[in-house]
Amino acid sequence: IAGITQAPTSQILAAGRRMTLRCTQDMRHNAMYWYRQDLGLGLRLIHYSNTAGTTGKGEVPDGYSVSRANTDDFPLTLASAVPSQTSVYFCASRAQGSGTGELFFGEGSRLTVL
Amino acid sequence: EDQVTQSPEALRLQEGESSSLNCSYTVSGLRGLFWYRQDPGKGPEFLFTLYSAGEEKEKERLKATLTKKESFLHITAPKPEDSATYLCAVRLMMDSSYKLIFGSGTRLLVRP
Repeated sequence: IAGITQAPTSQILAAGRRMTLRCTQDMRHNAMYWYRQDLGLGLRLIHYSNTAGTTGKGEVPDGYSVSRANTDDFPLTLASAVPSQTSVYFCASRAQGSGTGELFFGEGSRLTVL
Repeated sequence: EDQVTQSPEALRLQEGESSSLNCSYTVSGLRGLFWYRQDPGKGPEFLFTLYSAGEEKEKERLKATLTKKESFLHITAPKPEDSATYLCAVRLMMDSSYKLIFGSGTRLLVRP
C-alpha cells in the first residue's frame, strides 16, 4: 500500500536555485494539497487542486507554483529558492465525497535553503 | 481573523494518567473540526471529524468532543505509544475548496 509518495525525502539547496518537490498518489483522489510545516506555526496551505487541470492558491502561495496535469501527480516548484522557504513540506490528498473529509498525508520532504 | 489555538504546547503524562488536550477556535463559521496525530518524521494521520456542537467520537483511548468554541481530545489511561503531536484543524463554513486551518499542535509524551 503506497498511498502518497513524496520525493526527495530531504534536500539541501543553495539560494536562488530552482527545486521541484514531487508528489504522487495511487488512491485516485481528486483533491490534492501542499502544506508547509514550521515550528510553532503549524501546517499552512500553499496550493491546492480540486481536480486534474485546476489549481488554487492557499494561505502562503508566494514563491511557489504547482501543476496538475493528471490525477496522480501534483509537483510543487520553487522557482528561485530563498532561506525562508526552509521547511518541511507535506503533500496530501482527499477523496471527494468522503464523509469524514480525511486528508491522507505523505511522509514529507525536508528542505533546507542556504 | 480566523484562528485555531491549541493548548498546552507540550504535555508530559505518566502511563495511565488521563488528561485532555484543548483546541479553541475563533472562526466566522465552522463547517468541521478535525483531529490528526503526527509521529516524529511522519505525516499527520487522521483521527476524527466533528461537525456540530455536542458531537463526540471515540477511538480506543481517545475521545474527541466539540462545543461552539472549542474541542477537547480526552486521553484515558494513556500508554507510551500514544506519545505524538496532536493537531487540530478547522474548515470554515464559507470554504468551498477544503482549505483547512491548522493549530500548532500539542506534543504529548507518555512515560512508562
